[in-house]
Amino acid sequence: GDSVTQMEGPVTLSEEAFLTINCTYTATGYPSLFWYVQYPGEGLQLLLKATKADDKGSNKGFEATYRKETTSFHLEKGSVQVSDSAVYFCARSGGYQKVTFGTGTKLQVIP
Amino acid sequence: DAGVIQSPRHEVTEMGQEVTLRCKPISGHDYLFWYRQTMMRGLELLIYFNNNVPIDDSGMPEDRFSAKMPNASFSTLKIQPSEPRDSAVYFCASSTTGAGIWFGQGTRLTVV
Repeated sequence: GDSVTQMEGPVTLSEEAFLTINCTYTATGYPSLFWYVQYPGEGLQLLLKATKADDKGSNKGFEATYRKETTSFHLEKGSVQVSDSAVYFCARSGGYQKVTFGTGTKLQVIP
Repeated sequence: DAGVIQSPRHEVTEMGQEVTLRCKPISGHDYLFWYRQTMMRGLELLIYFNNNVPIDDSGMPEDRFSAKMPNASFSTLKIQPSEPRDSAVYFCASSTTGAGIWFGQGTRLTVV
């Protein structure tokens, strides 16, 4: 079935460091791919999305490229800030708008 | 738009009591989802609706859980009777084609 695998956390980085959070997905069908972010005490918020192969989603300095050949959608940011500390979820769409989420990766950015 | 609205934000109840969680989706969205989030199991899809009709309830843990969507602007998730292992954050989310899923802020349920 549909599934998403993302790297285990927590990830701890210093401010201004480069961020990569790995994500791979099962290649059934033609899914859309998403990254969501969850700040403490809040619901998940859509961070970025890509709907077809080679698309790049971007928002707030974060980027991810839909790689069909490697079934990957890695999240990157060139220079993280303390305010980026949150849990990040990779997700893929399925039938009926159903979205399957990864287990989440906690990011902690220290000053 | 105010986004997906859930109530209550926090609920503390005693084991055996009935609990009802409420959700108002974003206007115009034709899909509605109920998720449960715990440290142990992460984010689990419980049930989702399309145009007020339940499409997949295979994630509902047992018969104590039920969900309804009487109209396009309202849904409930009911647990009867509640148990301590039901303690979690319950999220409602809504969507339409191409929009991604939009989440509410969740209801933190504690069953003592």
